[in-house]
Amino acid sequence: RKEVEQDPGPFNVPEGATVAFNCTYSNSASQSFFWYRQDCRKEPKLLMSVYSSGNEDGRFTAQLNRASQYISLLIRDSKLSDSATYLCVVTNTGNQFYFGTGTSLTVIP
Amino acid sequence: NAGVTQTPKFQVLKTGQSMTLQCAQDMNHEYMSWYRQDPGMGLRLIHYSVGAGITDQGEVPNGYNVSRSTTEDFPLRLLSAAPSQTSVYFCASSYTPPSLAIQNYEQYFGPGTRLTVT
Repeated sequence: RKEVEQDPGPFNVPEGATVAFNCTYSNSASQSFFWYRQDCRKEPKLLMSVYSSGNEDGRFTAQLNRASQYISLLIRDSKLSDSATYLCVVTNTGNQFYFGTGTSLTVIP
Repeated sequence: NAGVTQTPKFQVLKTGQSMTLQCAQDMNHEYMSWYRQDPGMGLRLIHYSVGAGITDQGEVPNGYNVSRSTTEDFPLRLLSAAPSQTSVYFCASSYTPPSLAIQNYEQYFGPGTRLTVT
């Protein structure tokens, strides 16, 4: 079973829309959670960490549900510049970061 | 700071050739890692290091060697290239290994090396 699973999409949404991505993880001992963003043919970059109480950064909100073992990312008021692949990342008690396969988002004018 | 640097950016190898992908970071990060990214597979961990002199295998280590003689450098060696190793390779570093982290320390990625094996 994969450590992290994501819906690959693609998600095609109009500008201004709200879009949500979910990601599930298999190890209940997972410790740290992140969302990364990857633009086409570029390296992944941290979008935001995900904390137990949930956290918000501008138009982006991340939530963690430990009981159901999933994390979510909500993007409000989508911009054209939000078009990218969003990667869910978790760590467990070892020394490895586990990446989901990514969810592709295209924001349409 | 230059962050994480990787060379070369592009490389074409013939089957059976060997080569070394270079990775360096100037942030004094203890943790470094190598990933490969293939379509539909996401990033898969090849090898990682929690400090100078210490390396360990990730999910897909076969056909690759690493060493960590200094904190700054973490080269990845392909022993005998095969077409299945055609991929994009990313090096990443983090301030501390995940198991020791008391907060969420992010990984910083290099720009990647696009490798084609014919």
